[in-house]
Amino acid sequence: GENVEQHPSTLSVQEGDSAVIKCTYSDSASNYFPWYKQELGKGPQLIIDIRSNVGEKKDQRIAVTLNKTAKHFSLHITETQPEDSAVYFCAASISYGGSQGNLIFGKGTKLSVKP
Amino acid sequence: DTAVSQTPKYLVTQMGNDKSIKCEQNLGHDTMYWYKQDSKKFLKIMFSYNNKELIINETVPNRFSPKSPDKAHLNLHINSLELGDSAVYFCASGDPNQPQHFGDGTRLSIL
Repeated sequence: GENVEQHPSTLSVQEGDSAVIKCTYSDSASNYFPWYKQELGKGPQLIIDIRSNVGEKKDQRIAVTLNKTAKHFSLHITETQPEDSAVYFCAASISYGGSQGNLIFGKGTKLSVKP
Repeated sequence: DTAVSQTPKYLVTQMGNDKSIKCEQNLGHDTMYWYKQDSKKFLKIMFSYNNKELIINETVPNRFSPKSPDKAHLNLHINSLELGDSAVYFCASGDPNQPQHFGDGTRLSIL
């Protein structure tokens, strides 16, 4: 089955710097890759996602890149702010026809942004 | 307006008891899910439920059973609770090929 590896497990940056979190997946059939942000005491919230027919997607300070050949995808946060501090999860799944397979999550990255 | 809501937020109970966690979604999604997040924050799917049919069950003990009274609700029933069941349980909902939306979790603690 699918396996998703996520690195680093912890990341500390200064406010205003960029943060990059990387994930690799094992199943070449995976075609949907969401990123979730989880704040303390809250559920995971989708921040951006990408499908395998696209190499890059941006939404303001957040971007995701996908390299299907290497089977890895990355989250980029620019101009980080203290409120970006949270645990970030990548995930992978297979979407086919009218169904979506299991979301397989990475183990999370705890991002700390120091003011 | 909370999209996916689950109750209770905290649940403390004795080993061997039976308990339920309720989940409701107001997004009109066809599929609902239950996830377990362990003490190391690892998120793992337990069930997905679509049109009164359990379509995914990831090697979860049969002490755990989802029950869906209608499309907007998927409750999680747990029998004979064990120490290892202590975790945060998340409900989620989604449509095929669309992002899943999560509730804020229920922290289950077994004494």
